[in-house]
Amino acid sequence: LAKTTQPISMDSYEGQEVNITCSHNNIATNDYITWYQQFPSQGPRFIIQGYKTKVTNEVASLFIPADRKSSTLSLPRVSLSDTAVYYCLGDLSGGYNKLIFGAGTRLAVHP
Amino acid sequence: NAGVTQTPKFQVLKTGQSMTLQCAQDMNHNSMYWYRQDPGMGLRLIYYSASEGTTDKGEVPNGYNVSRLNKREFSLRLESAAPSQTSVYFCASSERSPLAGVRSGELFFGEGSRLTVL
Repeated sequence: LAKTTQPISMDSYEGQEVNITCSHNNIATNDYITWYQQFPSQGPRFIIQGYKTKVTNEVASLFIPADRKSSTLSLPRVSLSDTAVYYCLGDLSGGYNKLIFGAGTRLAVHP
Repeated sequence: NAGVTQTPKFQVLKTGQSMTLQCAQDMNHNSMYWYRQDPGMGLRLIYYSASEGTTDKGEVPNGYNVSRLNKREFSLRLESAAPSQTSVYFCASSERSPLAGVRSGELFFGEGSRLTVL
C-alpha cells in the first residue's frame, strides 16, 4: 500500500520559517492534500489543505507543484508552541476514502 | 455543538476480554473512521465507513470489527483483546462524498479513547 513520505524530524529556532515536504506519488486525482498538527495526548488538528499551486491561511501556506507528487507545508516565523508532529494525509488507495497518514515529522522549535 | 464524541475515554481490559468503543458525530458527515495510535507512533487506519451501511478495512483491521449503526454512529469492537491492542483510539468523521468534484481531506477527530490491555 502506497504511503506518504516525510522527514522523521526537524529542528528550528523561534522566528524562523520552517518548510516540511511530503512525497505522495499516488495521490488520487481528485483528492485534496491535507496537513495536520498533533500535540502530545491530543488528536490531530487540521491545518490546511489544497489541490494545486499555493494555498495560504492564517496559520500556514501550502505549496503543491503541478504534478501533485509532493507538497510543502510552510510555517512562517515559528514559535515554541509550534513544537508538534506534522502529518500529511491523502487517499493513496485508488479508491476514494481510504485516508492514510504518513509517519509524521516531529518538529522541535528551540528558543 | 459536540462534534465527534467517543466513549469511553479510558479503559483497562484483561487479555481475552471484549469491549466496544462508541463514536458519534453530530455534523451529518457521510464518512467515519477509526484510527489507532501507539506511543510515539503515527496514526494507523483500522476501518472506515464511506456511508451508512458500508464499512471497509484499513491498514490494520485484524482483531477488530466495526458497525455503522446509522449515519451518526460508528462503533469499534474488540472481540478478544490482546496486549498488542494497547493504544489510543481516535474516531474521526468527514464530509467527504463520492459526489464531490474534489474530495476534502478535513477530518474532525474525537478526543481519543485510551485502552490498556493487561
